[in-house]
Amino acid sequence: GENVEQHPSTLSVQEGDSAVIKCTYSDSASNYFPWYKQELGKRPQLIIDIRSNVGEKKDQRIAVTLNKTAKHFSLHITETQPEDSAVYFCAAHASGGSYIPTFGRGTSLIVHP
Amino acid sequence: NAGVTQTPKFQVLKTGQSMTLQCAQDMNHEYMSWYRQDPGMGLRLIHYSVGAGITDQGEVPNGYNVSRSTTEDFPLRLLSAAPSQTSVYFCASSSEERGTYEQYFGPGTRLTVT
Repeated sequence: GENVEQHPSTLSVQEGDSAVIKCTYSDSASNYFPWYKQELGKRPQLIIDIRSNVGEKKDQRIAVTLNKTAKHFSLHITETQPEDSAVYFCAAHASGGSYIPTFGRGTSLIVHP
Repeated sequence: NAGVTQTPKFQVLKTGQSMTLQCAQDMNHEYMSWYRQDPGMGLRLIHYSVGAGITDQGEVPNGYNVSRSTTEDFPLRLLSAAPSQTSVYFCASSSEERGTYEQYFGPGTRLTVT
């Protein structure tokens, strides 16, 4: 089955800096890669996603890049703010339109004011 | 829409007790799943369902049962609670929408087994 590795497990930055979280996946047929943000005590919520036919996608201060050849994808947050502090999960969906993702173990992002 | 709802929010059980965590969604999603979240372990899939009457095991199914008699409901049963089942449990539903498979999570149930 699919295996998703996520790094780093913890990331501490100063407000205004950029943050990058990286994930690798094992199934070359995976075709959908979402990112979820989980604030303390809350449920995970989708913040951005990318399909395998696209190399990059941006939404204001967040962007996701995908390298299908290397089987890795990354989340980029620019101009970080304290409210970006949360746990971020990457995920991969296998081919065939699988609705059940495989999640990475999560990255705890701490943005210091 | 209420989205995905879960009850209870908190529960304390003694070892050996059984209980059912409830999950319901009002978005007519075909796919529903249960995850447990433990520190440093991410979201691990327990069981999932691709439609009413169809369920399958995920990564960590031992000690849990599920059923899906309706599209809306997907309860998770703990047969004989053990301290290792202390965790936060999330139910999620999804459906293909505009080419995405976004997971909609419930608010979670925090379970402690003593």
